[in-house]
Amino acid sequence: QSVLTQPPSVSAAPGQRVSIFCSGGTSNIGKHYVSWYQQLPGTAPKVVIYDDNKRPSGIPDRFSGSKSGTSAILAITGLQTGDEADYFCGTWDDTLSPHVVFGGGTQLTVL
Amino acid sequence: QITLRESGPSLVTPSQTLTLTCTFSNFSLNTDGLGVGFVRQPPGKTLQFLALIYWDDDRRYSPSLRTRLTITKDTSQNQVVLTMADMHPVDTGTYYCVQYASSEGTAFHIWGPGTVVTVSS
Repeated sequence: QSVLTQPPSVSAAPGQRVSIFCSGGTSNIGKHYVSWYQQLPGTAPKVVIYDDNKRPSGIPDRFSGSKSGTSAILAITGLQTGDEADYFCGTWDDTLSPHVVFGGGTQLTVL
Repeated sequence: QITLRESGPSLVTPSQTLTLTCTFSNFSLNTDGLGVGFVRQPPGKTLQFLALIYWDDDRRYSPSLRTRLTITKDTSQNQVVLTMADMHPVDTGTYYCVQYASSEGTAFHIWGPGTVVTVSS
């Protein structure tokens, strides 16, 4: 059971918009920045959003992040088949001692 | 270009200690604000943070695994070493080395390719 809760899967057609939710608590999302990672099959995760809503260089503006209270959202517009991947949210957590926690992951299918 | 690469045994016997080395290039762990750590991923499952060591030798550990983990650095060799004691079959998975840079926010921006560790007798 992950500390951060994500839907196991989402799907949408090419060109459409999809949102992936990440729910946490006051010791993690409520206090710290959220990052989002994209993991293509057989590869290491890659940051697509950091510090709630910032995009690393090279990440298209079709990817956006937002946060409210203890929940965060990753939105992807203009879906492409290349966006099909697993997406994980992550943040720091202060329970017991500072450490990083991740969501359970969401499998995005582009129909 | 910053790179990290994990190395270590691909097969570990239950109850043994795992030793993983992360060798990195094009940055120094003597630099303020930098850190190197490990994240693992069991097959088909999510990511799990293990440990992180900072430039100033401060360390962060997963609370649930704290008693089994030790992370150290050798700045002269550009290496970070993670040991995990008392390995179990549930510890099977891909182990990634990650870089943390406070100037780049709170995410792990750079990851190694990962190394697969299987725990089996």
